[in-house]
Amino acid sequence: GIQVEQSPPDLILQEGANSTLRCNFSDSVNNLQWFHQNPWGQLINLFYIPSGTKQNGRLSATTVATERYSLLYISSSQTTDSGVYFCAVRPNTGNQFYFGTGTSLTVIP
Amino acid sequence: NAGVTQTPKFRVLKTGQSMTLLCAQDMNHEYMYWYRQDPGMGLRLIHYSVGEGTTAKGEVPDGYNVSRLKKQNFLLGLESAAPSQTSVYFCASSYVAGGPTDTQYFGPGTRLTVL
Repeated sequence: GIQVEQSPPDLILQEGANSTLRCNFSDSVNNLQWFHQNPWGQLINLFYIPSGTKQNGRLSATTVATERYSLLYISSSQTTDSGVYFCAVRPNTGNQFYFGTGTSLTVIP
Repeated sequence: NAGVTQTPKFRVLKTGQSMTLLCAQDMNHEYMYWYRQDPGMGLRLIHYSVGEGTTAKGEVPDGYNVSRLKKQNFLLGLESAAPSQTSVYFCASSYVAGGPTDTQYFGPGTRLTVL
């Protein structure tokens, strides 16, 4: 199946700092989503972004489909941003989603 | 709207016992998914359904069965639980494949321990 790699695996930030999370995938996709898993385990969809750029408040995401990667930007980080960020992709063939292993973000005050 | 709900939230089983996890959604979504999440790993797809009465295997289907008799419900069964099935199980649903409505909404998870 498709390979999905996220980097960095762990990230510790001071409150107010900016960060960039990366997701690389090994095949063409028709769906890419970013999720945040909070410390209580709940998964929240952040972006549906198979291509292009989107922004939602302090978060933005860019997917360059031709080069098979996506970036999630977090600006002016807050302690509530802590948790694990996952990207998930669906290859052009099939209905299955494949998740990366995530980036664990800790924001300290 | 309750969104996606899962029952139960926690369960402890002995090896060889059976159980069924229930996922329910009230968003009239066509697609439903069962994932498992193990420490340090992302989510892996167990089974999924593209509509009432349909099911298909995902990445790690062995040891599990599913049924989608009603559009709003997706059941995950373990016929003979094994310690390797200790995990957190998540259910998700989405409207249709393709386009911005193809966004997955997740339930709160079920933490299962098999002794």
